[in-house]
Amino acid sequence: GQQLNQSPQSMFIQEGEDVSMNCTSSSIFNTWLWYKQDPGEGPVLLIALYKAGELTSNGRLTAQFGITRKDSFLNISASIPSDVGIYFCAVWFRDDKIIFGKGTRLHILP
Amino acid sequence: KAGVTQTPRYLIKTRGQQVTLSCSPISGHRSVSWYQQTPGQGLQFLFEYFSETQRNKGNFPGRFSGRQFSNSRSEMNVSTLELGDSALYLCASSTGRTQETQYFGPGTRLLVL
Repeated sequence: GQQLNQSPQSMFIQEGEDVSMNCTSSSIFNTWLWYKQDPGEGPVLLIALYKAGELTSNGRLTAQFGITRKDSFLNISASIPSDVGIYFCAVWFRDDKIIFGKGTRLHILP
Repeated sequence: KAGVTQTPRYLIKTRGQQVTLSCSPISGHRSVSWYQQTPGQGLQFLFEYFSETQRNKGNFPGRFSGRQFSNSRSEMNVSTLELGDSALYLCASSTGRTQETQYFGPGTRLLVL
């Protein structure tokens, strides 16, 4: 089936550092999504990307829709403790269901 | 506006039993999707209900079933539980229009012993 390869699986960073993570696929998709899941909660949509090459920001978060439509990137600038959680990339598959990557778990060291 | 609610939040069952999970969507939303989340497989789509009809289905065995009521509340049932069914079960609600944002509930954590 369709698969999204998300990396890295986990990250340990210092507060204040910038973070980069990415997601790739062997197939082309027309919509890329980035979600965040806090401990004990369901995922929350952070950013949606609808156009190849699109760069979209949401506060300290910036995501890009790859020009090949097979990848996407998420950057977090100046990380803070509340950024801890699992970040998922996702795509709309045939407009009727969402496929998720396996997530990047972000840890922030004190 | 109240968010998506799921009950119960935690559940412990034994192999062979069955379980029913409940999801109440955001008021006005007619679509409810169910996902299974495990450390190994991540988030996997189970099925979607829209206006009391199953509209989409993932690749799960027939032991996993669901239904939706006229008030859009949805239930998911798993029969003959297996150890591998231990997971966080999430539901998400949306208006049901194409590619509309899905809003997730906090999930039900099921442990099968």
